[in-house]
Amino acid sequence: DAGVIQSPRHEVTEMGQEVTLRCKPISGHNSLFWYRQTMMRGLELLIYFNNNVPIDDSGMPEDRFSAKMPNASFSTLKIQPSEPRDSAVYFCASSLDRGVVGTDTQYFGPGTRLTVL
Amino acid sequence: GDSVTQMEGPVTLSEEAFLTINCTYTATGYPSLFWYVQYPGEGLQLLLKATKADDKGSNKGFEATYRKETTSFHLEKGSVQVSDSAVYFCALSDLAGANSKLTFGKGITLSVRP
Repeated sequence: DAGVIQSPRHEVTEMGQEVTLRCKPISGHNSLFWYRQTMMRGLELLIYFNNNVPIDDSGMPEDRFSAKMPNASFSTLKIQPSEPRDSAVYFCASSLDRGVVGTDTQYFGPGTRLTVL
Repeated sequence: GDSVTQMEGPVTLSEEAFLTINCTYTATGYPSLFWYVQYPGEGLQLLLKATKADDKGSNKGFEATYRKETTSFHLEKGSVQVSDSAVYFCALSDLAGANSKLTFGKGITLSVRP
């Protein structure tokens, strides 16, 4: 299995531009998570989906951030407009929720390093 | 709400030294506990986990025991190697919540000198 795939691996953009991050979860997994990692705030959960439905988006910082999961094999995280404080590493993770909550391992992608100038 | 507290870092050890990284938690229900490791330039990966009190998780020489009485899940390794240099995250998943969301600690950086 290829694992969780994220693209791009690195993104440099200017303030005000739209940024789209992409994630392909592990085939067969039914939960998908978007995280943001910074030195100041550590690892933060932004949003997660179960069976393509957003379950908890309380971690999304503001309306500039949006996430979609149109099907079981693809998700996007969009920032519009981007700001320098959005600079971070964004991780996508997936898991197979078998109904025994709390025991399912999350598998992380390699991350996208975003720099907003 | 749920929270995970890890000891302050960074930690620097010599090769073959004994490692302990402390982790304590607060949860409303009966959490499962995890240690994740992040090697430089990579995403997090599961190191070990324990799903109920007194369970011991182990992997790659690392161990952690779920201590409900002290709400702790300390990570230990008897003899660290240079290849263990990474960031280590303690996390919990609370069974009281109907989801698989993880709550992470802030992480601690371990550097092992040859």
